[in-house]
Amino acid sequence: EADIYQTPRYLVIGTGKKITLECSQTMGHDKMYWYQQDPGMELHLIHYSYGVNSTEKGDLSSESTVSRIRTEHFPLTLESARPSHTSQYLCASSEGYVRGIDTQYFGPGTRLTVL
Amino acid sequence: GESVGLHLPTLSVQEGDNSIINCAYSNSASDYFIWYKQESGKGPQFIIDIRSNMDKRQGQRVTVLLNKTVKHLSLQIAATQPGDSAVYFCAESVRGNQFYFGTGTSLTVIP
Repeated sequence: EADIYQTPRYLVIGTGKKITLECSQTMGHDKMYWYQQDPGMELHLIHYSYGVNSTEKGDLSSESTVSRIRTEHFPLTLESARPSHTSQYLCASSEGYVRGIDTQYFGPGTRLTVL
Repeated sequence: GESVGLHLPTLSVQEGDNSIINCAYSNSASDYFIWYKQESGKGPQFIIDIRSNMDKRQGQRVTVLLNKTVKHLSLQIAATQPGDSAVYFCAESVRGNQFYFGTGTSLTVIP
């Protein structure tokens, strides 16, 4: 069982609010990721990090930002939430491509609804 | 980006039967593949992985087959149980850089 946590699990918020989705892992993994997933659909990578002070944008354009000040913590921030941001946000971490294997462990997700 | 798609969006099987979930990928350079299981309200859970230097890998009740010639991946679940009901995703990557996920297949096990 992976030790990766996300809070809150559910969030309903009004348009224009600033929100931060928290993600923490206790496995000491260098690589962390944020995915966006609509119900029944594939996961889209929005941000990733290969270590402290390293952040990159993924393939899916996102108005969110991330930071990686500590290895275990990878928060995602929306400065001004909009209804189009309504989705599930999944955080993941991995040890990295070691000996040809790179298993990503996922958190339970945050389901965000913007009214 | 890469295209990773599953052939069937839904699959229903009788409890005890074997299930086969298929996945097509488009990047011939992909060398690492993972199958994930996602239950309702939860994040994806690792099931099994396979590297491109292998054709087959077996786990507990699951087998992944890789056909690099036609860029096809399949997940076989033996003696399917009600607890196997979930959405299954395949994901591909090149040396672990950026995983691309396909649209999931929803597996329903009929008791």
